Amino acid sequence: KAGVTQTPRYLIKTRGQQVTLSCSPISGHRSVSWYQQTPGQGLQFLFEYFSETQRNKGNFPGRFSGRQFSNSRSEMNVSTLELGDSALYLCASTLTQNTEAFFGQGTRLTVV
Amino acid sequence: DQQVKQNSPSLSVQEGRISILNCDYTNSMFDYFLWYKKYPAEGPTFLISISSIKDKNEDGRFTVFLNKSAKHLSLHIVPSQPGDSAVYFCAASARSGGYQKVTFGIGTKLQVIP
Repeated sequence: KAGVTQTPRYLIKTRGQQVTLSCSPISGHRSVSWYQQTPGQGLQFLFEYFSETQRNKGNFPGRFSGRQFSNSRSEMNVSTLELGDSALYLCASTLTQNTEAFFGQGTRLTVV
Repeated sequence: DQQVKQNSPSLSVQEGRISILNCDYTNSMFDYFLWYKKYPAEGPTFLISISSIKDKNEDGRFTVFLNKSAKHLSLHIVPSQPGDSAVYFCAASARSGGYQKVTFGIGTKLQVIP
């Protein structure tokens, strides 16, 4: 069974640009969550999607948005990039609630 | 507001000894707790979990203890091996808006010295 796939693995963008990250969950998993990891901040929850609906959202500005498609694949978009958005963005999928999440390898975003 | 706190950013342990990683939480609504391990350049991988109705869960060398009255959980690794060197994240889950929401700590970097 294929794991969670995130593309691209690495990305360099300039301030003010926008970026779209993609996540394909494990087959059969309908819940996809996104996290931002920065040094000293751990894993900060961005949002969670289930059956194309956002059902949980973290404390991030509106520049961060996402969506989920009917095949459970999810995309995350960050507009008007800032230097502080440089981080590892992780996607995780779960089969049901209160089961472990399976993470992708992440997308390393660098904003210059 | 850090609802899940891992107060030790790093820990060094000799190979063969016990590693104890600690985690404190503030939200009494958390009802499910998990530990993840993360190697550099990889996503976190699930290690072990515990429900709030239990106080101990064991899986091989890994044991998680939960003290609900103290709002504290710990991960014990015995014996520690060099391959255990990684960042360990504590996570807690609570119902939010009708759904379970998972909150992670900032992680503890474990180094097992051969």
